[in-house]
Amino acid sequence: GAGVSQTPSNKVTEKGKYVELRCDPISGHTALYWYRQSLGQGPEFLIYFQGTGAADDSGLPNDRFFAVRPEGSVSTLKIQRTERGDSAVYLCASRAGTGAYNEQFFGPGTRLTVL
Amino acid sequence: DAKTTQPPSMDCAEGRAANLPCNHSTISGNEYVYWYRQIHSQGPQYIIHGLKNNETNEMASLIITEDRKSSTLILPHATLRDTAVYYCIVRVAGGGADGLTFGKGTHLIIQP
Repeated sequence: GAGVSQTPSNKVTEKGKYVELRCDPISGHTALYWYRQSLGQGPEFLIYFQGTGAADDSGLPNDRFFAVRPEGSVSTLKIQRTERGDSAVYLCASRAGTGAYNEQFFGPGTRLTVL
Repeated sequence: DAKTTQPPSMDCAEGRAANLPCNHSTISGNEYVYWYRQIHSQGPQYIIHGLKNNETNEMASLIITEDRKSSTLILPHATLRDTAVYYCIVRVAGGGADGLTFGKGTHLIIQP
C-alpha cells in the first residue's frame, strides 16, 4: 500500500518568506509526527499529533513554527519569516493507534533551503 | 530516555555479517532498545526492538547483554543495499506516543 508522502520534495525560498510543507500519512494512522534533520545529524523531533490535536509540541524551536492537522489526516507544517538556519530536511512519520510497540513509518522528507 | 553511544562509522564486506554495537549504560528497567536505519535520501526505517531477550526478524537480530547496558544489531548477510546510517534508540515502554530521540548513529558502509 501507499506509504507516507510529503510534498514538495524540495523547496527553495528566500529569507523572511513563509513556507508550508505537507504530509500525507498512511491511511488510517491516527498518530503523526514531524521531525527536522540537519546535515550530518539524526532527525530531531518537532511535534506529535494524535488525531486532530497536537499532543506534544515541545520540539518546535520557536513561535515561527506551527503545524496543523484539521481533519486528523493530512498535516501541514508552517514556517513564518524563514531564516537560513531553518534549512534542513523535514521528515513526517505516521503510526497506527497508540500501541506502545507500533512502529513509526517515515516519509522521504522535504528538503528546505532558505537563501 | 537513556542516552546511547555508537561508533560513527563501520565497514563490512558484502556477504559477511555486520555487527553494530550500541552502549546504553544508563538504561532503565522499563526502557526498550530500538533500531532504525536511514538509507541515503530516504526517511528512517524501523528494524527491530527488544527489552532483554534476544530478538530476530526477517531483517536482523538484536543481542542485548544480560546487564542490558549494551546491545548489538546483527545483519547476517550484508548486501550493498544495507549501506545506511543505523540509529540505536532507547525509550520507555508505553512511550509509543513520544517522538523518537535520534543520535548521530553509525554509518555502515558495505564494501563489494
